[in-house]
Amino acid sequence: GQQLNQSPQSMFIQEGEDVSMNCTSSSIFNTWLWYKQDPGEGPVLLIALYKAGELTSNGRLTAQFGITRKDSFLNISASIPSDVGIYFCAGLYVDSNYQLIWGAGTKLIIKP
Amino acid sequence: EAQVTQNPRYLITVTGKKLTVTCSQNMNHEYMSWYRQDPGLGLRQIYYSMNVEVTDKGDVPEGYKVSRKEKRNFPLILESPSPNQTSLYFCASSLSLPGANTEAFFGQGTRLTVV
Repeated sequence: GQQLNQSPQSMFIQEGEDVSMNCTSSSIFNTWLWYKQDPGEGPVLLIALYKAGELTSNGRLTAQFGITRKDSFLNISASIPSDVGIYFCAGLYVDSNYQLIWGAGTKLIIKP
Repeated sequence: EAQVTQNPRYLITVTGKKLTVTCSQNMNHEYMSWYRQDPGLGLRQIYYSMNVEVTDKGDVPEGYKVSRKEKRNFPLILESPSPNQTSLYFCASSLSLPGANTEAFFGQGTRLTVV
């Protein structure tokens, strides 16, 4: 099946640092989604991207839909303690069916 | 309040004992799905449903069944649970196919342990 490679797997950062994570694939996706999962909760949508090249912001978060449609990145500026959690990318893949493919997640940990 | 409700939140059971995890949404969404989340593997789709009486296999359907008799409910059934089905399960719903200009809303998860 289709796969998304999400990296890094985990990040240890200082409060105030900028964070960058990305997802890549050998397949072309129609939509890229970025979700955040807080401990003990289900994922919540952060940003949705629908067009190649699209750059979208949501507060301190910025995400881009890669020009090749095979990748996407998420940046978080000036991280704060509540940014801790697992971030997932998901791509909508369309062939004979519609499939929403998920990355394995990036765990963000803020050093005290 | 718009929400997806899963029950139970936590369940410990023994191998072979049939169980059902319920999922209900109050947003009149057509699309519902079940995922399992395992460390290092992210979310993997088990089954999904595009509408009432329409269900399809996801990536990892073996050992699971679902039904969609009403729009709001989408129970996940494990007829004969095995230890490799120990996982964190999420139900999600969306107005239509998630990603196609619609957001998927997730339940709070069900942590299942099969011993």
